[in-house]
Amino acid sequence: AQKITQTQPGMFVQEKEAVTLDCTYDTSDQSYGLFWYKQPSSGEMIFLIYQGSYDEQNATEGRYSLNFQKARKSANLVISASQLGDSAMYFCAMRDHRNTGFQKLVFGTGTRLLVSP
Amino acid sequence: DAGVIQSPRHEVTEMGQEVTLRCKPISGHNSLFWYRQTMMRGLELLIYFNNNVPIDDSGMPEDRFSAKMPNASFSTLKIQPSEPRDSAVYFCASTVGQGFQSPLHFGNGTRLTVT
Repeated sequence: AQKITQTQPGMFVQEKEAVTLDCTYDTSDQSYGLFWYKQPSSGEMIFLIYQGSYDEQNATEGRYSLNFQKARKSANLVISASQLGDSAMYFCAMRDHRNTGFQKLVFGTGTRLLVSP
Repeated sequence: DAGVIQSPRHEVTEMGQEVTLRCKPISGHNSLFWYRQTMMRGLELLIYFNNNVPIDDSGMPEDRFSAKMPNASFSTLKIQPSEPRDSAVYFCASTVGQGFQSPLHFGNGTRLTVT
């Protein structure tokens, strides 16, 4: 069964606006970690932000924040004040104990974000 | 600090040839991962090592794929013989520690084209 679901293949946002990229996950574990990565057109994978299942507060890193709703099993990425350089693919990923060794990350299919001037 | 270093950046080869992809993880990182990215299947984990030992190779597509990590600073992914369906971007990533919070740091990838 798919563990990470990103239902938005593509999103558009105007420069300086905020945008939310959706991510839902499936796990029966109580302990897990959620990650967001950015992949620009140049191809590299850039780590953006992390949220632990026991973290009481939503994670924030500069213009990135996580809207973490544990009961709904969602971890949506919010990008505030979008910039042209935010245009990229965005991947949600999860690590839980059910994996063989808990370092393994499972990725969603990604959302392509386009920021227009 | 140097990140994860992969070589080559691009590889074009003919079907049936052997292909070797190389990776140098970040110094001090004790886990190394090989992922493959295609349009159809997204990012798939092929294999990962912890302290140079293969932990999970369940993602390796078939016997044509093999991976080694002879020491803490070097890993190879070999495809022999290569097939057109192996065309993809292959990423190496490394991380340190055992906790959930340690992110994977990715190399720039090797774009493999098998004709």
